[in-house]
Amino acid sequence: KQEVTQIPAALSVPEGENLVLNCSFTDSAIYNLQWFRQDPGKGLTSLLLIQSSQREQTSGRLNASLDKSSGRSTLYIAASQPGDSATYLCAVGTYSGGYQKVTFGTGTKLQVIP
Amino acid sequence: DAGVIQSPRHEVTEMGQEVTLRCKPISGHDYLFWYRQTMMRGLELLIYFNNNVPIDDSGMPEDRFSAKMPNASFSTLKIQPSEPRDSAVYFCASSPFSGSFNEQFFGPGTRLTVL
Repeated sequence: KQEVTQIPAALSVPEGENLVLNCSFTDSAIYNLQWFRQDPGKGLTSLLLIQSSQREQTSGRLNASLDKSSGRSTLYIAASQPGDSATYLCAVGTYSGGYQKVTFGTGTKLQVIP
Repeated sequence: DAGVIQSPRHEVTEMGQEVTLRCKPISGHDYLFWYRQTMMRGLELLIYFNNNVPIDDSGMPEDRFSAKMPNASFSTLKIQPSEPRDSAVYFCASSPFSGSFNEQFFGPGTRLTVL
């Protein structure tokens, strides 16, 4: 069974700092990994999607990397802003019992202090 | 496109009542997912459909839960009878890719409270 862990559970940084969020998974036979942000009381917004054949994806100040062999992904946020404050979730896609499965991590709650 | 639409946004009901949650996926998306989010268990996949057909319902917690997708633009998640432990935020998501899961787009969620 796929297990997805995100460390740290919470993070507080001053505005302007670069930061890294971590996601680890136990089954390396994944077909994609997606990073989301969730604002309080809201749904999930897709940030970046990495297919299993890719090593990284970039969008603006965000860069996500994927190392399947070690079961890790990182989300790098450059020059953090207060508007980046949210919970960040990673979701791993795998096949299990002939079905496609999506397993979410528990999330990292980020606070960027002005 | 308006994105994934869910209704109602909030639902408060009493134990034993039937609850029906509704979802309209993004037009043209092949996949539709139902998730449940709680503080204790995080985000869990309940069931997903491909081209209106239920593919995997192994995440549905018990027989009180059922989901249907009568056409490409509408799905329901029903709980009957509801229990206080069903209180959670229920999300619907859709995905455009047919070969494998591609990017998922989430609706705003339905916050369910069962008293």
